[in-house]
This record gives sequence, C-alpha cells and structure tokens, in this order.
Amino acid sequence: GAVVSQHPSWVICKSGTSVKIECRSLDFQATTMFWYRQFPKQSLMLMATSNEGSKATYEQGVEKDKFLINHASLTLSTLTVTSAHPEDSSFYICSARDGARSYNEQFFGPGTRLTVL
Amino acid sequence: QKEVEQDPGPLSVPEGAIVSLNCTYSNSAFQYFMWYRQYSRKGPELLMYTYSSGNKEDGRFTAQVDKSSKYISLFIRDSQPSDSATYLCAMAESQGAQKLVFGQGTRLTINP
Repeated sequence: GAVVSQHPSWVICKSGTSVKIECRSLDFQATTMFWYRQFPKQSLMLMATSNEGSKATYEQGVEKDKFLINHASLTLSTLTVTSAHPEDSSFYICSARDGARSYNEQFFGPGTRLTVL
Repeated sequence: QKEVEQDPGPLSVPEGAIVSLNCTYSNSAFQYFMWYRQYSRKGPELLMYTYSSGNKEDGRFTAQVDKSSKYISLFIRDSQPSDSATYLCAMAESQGAQKLVFGQGTRLTINP
C-alpha cells in the first residue's frame, strides 16, 4: 500500500515552454501533497505544500507564478513549470501524506527528471 | 547553521561491514525522526521511523535517537551491495507536522 506515482518520469522541453508533472496517490487519499526539487548530489528542497481544495503554500524563494501547483482531488496534484529555462532543469519529486494516518510519514513518488534545452 | 546536518560522504565500505550514518540537529523541538533510502534517480523510501529518544531495530537496521545530544544514527549490520544508496535523515516537530526537515543525505557504497 501507500504508492505514489509520477508522470512523466522524464521530460525534455525547449526553453520558454511549460511542462506539467502529475503526482497521484494510487491506493490512499492524500490530504496533503508536497513538491520537492533535488539537484545532483544534494538533498531534497521543499518547494511547496498543497492541501486538497486549497491554495498551495510556497517556501521562501520559490516563485508561485512560475511553479503552479494544483491539488484538485484527494489523489492528484500537478506541478506546472511555466516558461521553463535551463536553470529549471532538475529532479522533481512529490510526496503525499495519507489522510487516514495520524502520523507525518510522507510517501514519495519516483520523481520526474526535467531537462530544459 | 542548518537545522539538520548530515555528512554527505561519500562513504565506501566492504560488504559485511557495519555502517554508521549520523545526523545532528539544532532544533530541540524535533520529536519525530526518520531515515529514508534513495536509490539513484528514484524517490526516497522510508526505512525507519522513531519517536523521541531510544533505539528501534528492524532486521539489519537499527535507528538510535539521543535527544540530549541532538544526534541520531542509523546502523546497518551485515551490509550488502544492495544497500548502496543515499540515506537521508528527516525530522519533524510534531506528529501532525506538515513539514519534514531533511539532512543533505549520505552517499553509501558497499563494495562486494
């Protein structure tokens, strides 16, 4: 149980285009989802926290107009990187909390590798 | 000073060795401590979850928490090549806390 999927697993796009990444909880209802980015050989950097049906809370320094997050249902959150630039190339990972569990374990997706040319 | 400090390594040991991975932290409000394992180009997976001080054992893995020293450890016994991965510690202030604070991660290689 507690499986989180991400789609796509990798994407290459041209500079200036937008890319949408999906994060789904497959066998539980995710009341909260998190989006992280990870640069090579570095730890996870939290970008934003989203609760189903409400606006995402962004971490300091993360541009909310550039990284659009939508958590429209209890099983799906999307991250859209708008007007992508090469410096946005990174590994993006989502995680989800199971609303039925009282403790704060996060279940992670497999990640999406974004390369902006 | 970072809230959570973790030696990034890399750490390389022979198969069968006992591995010790450590994190220190500065926030005395942390009460929940986790260790995640991340294989290359994959998402992290939870290995151990502990509350407050003490030890917790699961197979070849033992997690230790010393809140008085603000120090946590993960021990791997009889290490295997399949244990080669990056290990991340993570912490939270409360059971309902939204946010986990991660360490930098330690890259571990077990040599056959």
